[in-house]
Amino acid sequence: NAGVMQNPRHLVRRRGQEARLRCSPMKGHSHVYWYRQLPEEGLKFMVYLQKENIIDESGMPKERFSAEFPKEGPSILRIQQVVRGDSAAYFCASSPPGSTRTYEQYFGPGTRLTVT
Amino acid sequence: AQSVTQLGSHVSVSEGALVLLRCNYSSSVPPYLFWYVQYPNQGLQLLLKYTSAATLVKGINGFEAEFKKSETSFHLTKPSAHMSDAAEYFCAVIMNSGGYQKVTFGTGTKLQVIP
Repeated sequence: NAGVMQNPRHLVRRRGQEARLRCSPMKGHSHVYWYRQLPEEGLKFMVYLQKENIIDESGMPKERFSAEFPKEGPSILRIQQVVRGDSAAYFCASSPPGSTRTYEQYFGPGTRLTVT
Repeated sequence: AQSVTQLGSHVSVSEGALVLLRCNYSSSVPPYLFWYVQYPNQGLQLLLKYTSAATLVKGINGFEAEFKKSETSFHLTKPSAHMSDAAEYFCAVIMNSGGYQKVTFGTGTKLQVIP
């Protein structure tokens, strides 16, 4: 069973461009979480999604950031008009249905976004 | 509200010495606590978790942690450090919020192992 997949692993964008980060959860997992790790900081929750639904986006910046988890295909974190402050590692985690009892999230390797 | 404090952003130990990484939590409800390890340029790997069963939790790679409610602590220990333990370690408190998991991470502790 493959783990959580994220691509690309490294992404370089110029200021003002768009960044699209992809996350394929583990097989059978229907819950996806996105986190951002700024340099020298811990991971900060951004958004929690289930298939076709955003459940909690309280950690998402109000502008330029959006996330989706369609019925088919990976979850996408989209950052429009990137700025240097968006440079960070973005991690995706997934969990299976009913995981509120096990509290386990499985993390992908991350996408390291560099804005030049 | 829940929060986690990791004392010491950098810890250095000699190979073979005791590893002690500190984590204190704040939670309005009984917490569920995890320790994750992150190797350079990789994602997070679960080391161990406390979910209200035994207070002494054993994890992978010889690590263990003890939940102490009176001290609101969940410190991570390993009796004898190995070079391969050099990594960054994150403590996390997890709460069931409206049917899903709300995770709050500490700022991390980088462990250096000196030969």
